[in-house]
Amino acid sequence: EDQVTQSPEALRLQEGESSSLNCSYTVSGLRGLFWYRQDPGKGPEFLFTLYSAGEEKEKERLKATLTKKESFLHITAPKPEDSATYLCAVLTSSYKLIFGSGTRLLVRP
Amino acid sequence: EAQVTQNPRYLITVTGKKLTVTCSQNMNHEYMSWYRQDPGLGLRQIYYSMNVEVTDKGDVPEGYKVSRKEKRNFPLILESPSPNQTSLYFCASSRPGGTVNTGELFFGEGSRLTVL
Repeated sequence: EDQVTQSPEALRLQEGESSSLNCSYTVSGLRGLFWYRQDPGKGPEFLFTLYSAGEEKEKERLKATLTKKESFLHITAPKPEDSATYLCAVLTSSYKLIFGSGTRLLVRP
Repeated sequence: EAQVTQNPRYLITVTGKKLTVTCSQNMNHEYMSWYRQDPGLGLRQIYYSMNVEVTDKGDVPEGYKVSRKEKRNFPLILESPSPNQTSLYFCASSRPGGTVNTGELFFGEGSRLTVL
């Protein structure tokens, strides 16, 4: 069964304390892996697409990487405005998009 | 401004009273989709549409209907709502470029529905 699992469920960081969020997947073929940011009361906002193992994408303090079994979202020197829920999603070989349950990130000043 | 607009944003209704959640996008996107988001379950797809007059079931279609008569609109219909349909609903559309781009979605702000 296709599955996408994110860990940890919640993460508290001090401002400036770098860390990583994990998205592991077991799917029947990967066409793409996507990261989203969701603020409270808002719809998810697209961040990155990764297509193949070894690929990396960066945006400000965020860097997404991909291996054959998982993806990491690295957050370098986070600021309070980075607080949000981060979602990953996998597009399978049959074009089915499966979302993980998300990681709630809180960055304290 | 490019956006996906959903209405209503909040709704409290009673079991069995038909309701429609509207969704409209101004980006000329072909692909549109409805999701529900529940704590611990993530986003689950209800229905999707690859283009006008083309719709298909997602993972949790029971109790819902959709239609796609125009490219910009994709309403979600609950013919006889039940309490287990209490949820946060999102409409989304995807930029052109083929099915591989269906993972790069633009989401609406969400519609919080409570069925009593």
